[in-house]
Amino acid sequence: DAKTTQPPSMDCAEGRAANLPCNHSTISGNEYVYWYRQIHSQGPQYIIHGLKNNETNEMASLIITEDRKSSTLILPHATLRDTAVYYCIVRAIYNQGGKLIFGQGTELSVKP
Amino acid sequence: EAQVTQNPRYLITVTGKKLTVTCSQNMNHEYMSWYRQDPGLGLRQIYYSMNVEVTDKGDVPEGYKVSRKEKRNFPLILESPSPNQTSLYFCASSIRNGPYEQYFGPGTRLTVT
Repeated sequence: DAKTTQPPSMDCAEGRAANLPCNHSTISGNEYVYWYRQIHSQGPQYIIHGLKNNETNEMASLIITEDRKSSTLILPHATLRDTAVYYCIVRAIYNQGGKLIFGQGTELSVKP
Repeated sequence: EAQVTQNPRYLITVTGKKLTVTCSQNMNHEYMSWYRQDPGLGLRQIYYSMNVEVTDKGDVPEGYKVSRKEKRNFPLILESPSPNQTSLYFCASSIRNGPYEQYFGPGTRLTVT
């Protein structure tokens, strides 16, 4: 699975959009981009994933660049409850063990 | 409500005393997995199971056992716990191995003294 690079921390004002970047320049054609978050030692929570096209669900939007070497997770109206560590994970469609490799992530602080 | 449950949530035990951490999912998922999370090391996979009676080692299986006799349950067994197994443990499940979301349990914080 390709390596990802994320900024260690970001701040966002409550009610504003939070844009979290991720670099995955070595991604290959059969690898998806996943985003999970972990709120203070709780179980990681799935947010969204995509292969090539931009994706949107009730939680967030995922924008993947045309060359697939980077992506951005967008939380459209951040709330205090969105304060968490956000993990960008690149994973092949089928990998040994089905595991997710969590890097260091981005610690997002949403401030009033 | 679709969920993964773990018990106990917190456990303090002594070296060598066998323990089992239970994991159960109510989504009829084929795939289940155990991770441990340690500061600075992220989440590391311990064992996984592709389906009933099919289990295999992850990256850090030493000192752990698992079983998958029923689809919904995937217990983690520590036959002789040691202090280096003090950690935060998570169980996860998904419909099957592939491009699907994984659901994680709330975690079990284990301290071995």
